[in-house]
Amino acid sequence: QVQLQESGPGLVKPSQTLSLTCTVSGGSVSSGSYYWSWIRQPAGKGLEWIGRVYTRGSTNYNPSLKSRLTVSRDTSKNQFSLKLSSVTAADTAVYYCAREREWEPTIDYWGQGTLVTVSS
Amino acid sequence: QSVLTQPPSVSAAPGQKVTISCSGSSSNIGNNYVSWYQQLPGTAPKLLIYETNKRPSGIPDRFSGSKSGTSATLGITGLQTGDEADYYCGTWDSSLSASVFGTGTKVTVL
Repeated sequence: QVQLQESGPGLVKPSQTLSLTCTVSGGSVSSGSYYWSWIRQPAGKGLEWIGRVYTRGSTNYNPSLKSRLTVSRDTSKNQFSLKLSSVTAADTAVYYCAREREWEPTIDYWGQGTLVTVSS
Repeated sequence: QSVLTQPPSVSAAPGQKVTISCSGSSSNIGNNYVSWYQQLPGTAPKLLIYETNKRPSGIPDRFSGSKSGTSATLGITGLQTGDEADYYCGTWDSSLSASVFGTGTKVTVL
C-alpha cells in the first residue's frame, strides 16, 4: 500500500518561493512506471494539476505555472518536491502529492493534502 | 480554467440513479482513457474509475464509467447518502502535455 505525506510551511509571504516535500512509503520514486505528481485545490474550488516527475527524472508541468515551477525527486530519501516561485494570494490552496500511472492517465494514490496560505 | 466541463451539480433521491457528464475534445477525452475521482467533504480525492470503465478493488459496481467520442459519463445507481461528494473526471491532454481535471460536480442526495 503506497502512502504519501506532504510537508512544508503552511504560510508563505507574497513574492517568495513555496516549497513542499512529499515523503513516499510503500513505493519508490526511482523505480516502476509511475509519475510523482502535485495537484492543488483552492478553497471551495476544483482540482488543478500542477506538475510531475517521472521515476527516470523527466518532468511535465502545467503550462500556466511552468515559468515558476520546479518538481524534482530525491531518490536517497524517497521523496519528491515542489518549488513554486513568486507566489501570490492566488496560490493559496490545499496542495496534494500523488502517484500517477505512466501507462494511462490515472492518479491512484493521493496524500492527505496540506494547506498553504500566501499572506504577509 | 479547466478544459473538461462538468455540470456543477446533480441530485436525486436515495435509491435513484444519477449520471455526470464530462465534456472535452479530441486532444484529451477523444484519444485517452478517462478517470473519475470522488472527494468526500474535507478529504483527499479517491480513485473511483480508471481506464474509462474499470473499478479499483473495493469500489462497488453501483459506480460505472463510459465514453463516447469526446465525452465521458459517470453513473451512480442505488444512490446512498454516503455518495454525497464532489466528483471529478480526469485525463491527459496531448495538446497541453498536461494532466487535466474536470470542473467538478456536486452530488446531492435528496
